Amino acid sequence: SQTIHQWPATLVQPVGSPLSLECTVEGTSNPNLYWYRQAAGRGLQLLFYSVGIGQISSEVPQNLSASRPQDRQFILSSKKLLLSDSGFYLCAWSGGSSVTASTQYFGPGTRLTVL
Amino acid sequence: AQTVTQSQPEMSVQEAETVTLSCTYDTSESNYYLFWYKQPPSRQMILVIRQEAYKQQNATENRFSVNFQKAAKSFSLKISDSQLGDTAMYFCALGADKLIFGTGTRLQVFP
Repeated sequence: SQTIHQWPATLVQPVGSPLSLECTVEGTSNPNLYWYRQAAGRGLQLLFYSVGIGQISSEVPQNLSASRPQDRQFILSSKKLLLSDSGFYLCAWSGGSSVTASTQYFGPGTRLTVL
Repeated sequence: AQTVTQSQPEMSVQEAETVTLSCTYDTSESNYYLFWYKQPPSRQMILVIRQEAYKQQNATENRFSVNFQKAAKSFSLKISDSQLGDTAMYFCALGADKLIFGTGTRLQVFP
């Protein structure tokens, strides 16, 4: 069966520091991968998605970037964190050839607090 | 633009009773999918149920069922025999060119 991992689970970082969140998927190959952010009491906002190694689509211009160095690894980064980057970050994967038609399955998330 | 609206910020229901969560959406796509996700206090998003827009038959998963009204662009979730473990945030989502989420409904199940 497929599983999705995210780490760290919780992170507290000062403003201006770098960020690296990692997501890995097991039990499937060539998944579509997604990064979402959820602000407190809000819905999910799609940040990035990837349909293959090195292929990244950005949905929201911002302080963050994403990379996919391996088939089942998706990394969310920032060079300098802002207070507004605080939130709950969720990674998700889906199978199939269609990004839109496939059901997305989510990881456990990372709670990021920027002080 | 594609939108998803959940007009009930909070709802409550007594254990063993039935509750319906509302969702409306808007899209110009002819082929799309609709989802309900549950987010318990652990905050992991869990798929509850999925509906393909081209299917007229409403999807069901055990105690969870949907009422899909395509013309009205409505997609409500019915939870039967509510259990304490159903307490969570519930998000409606539209999958057209990407997955768009509503703002969620917080459901509290009381004993």
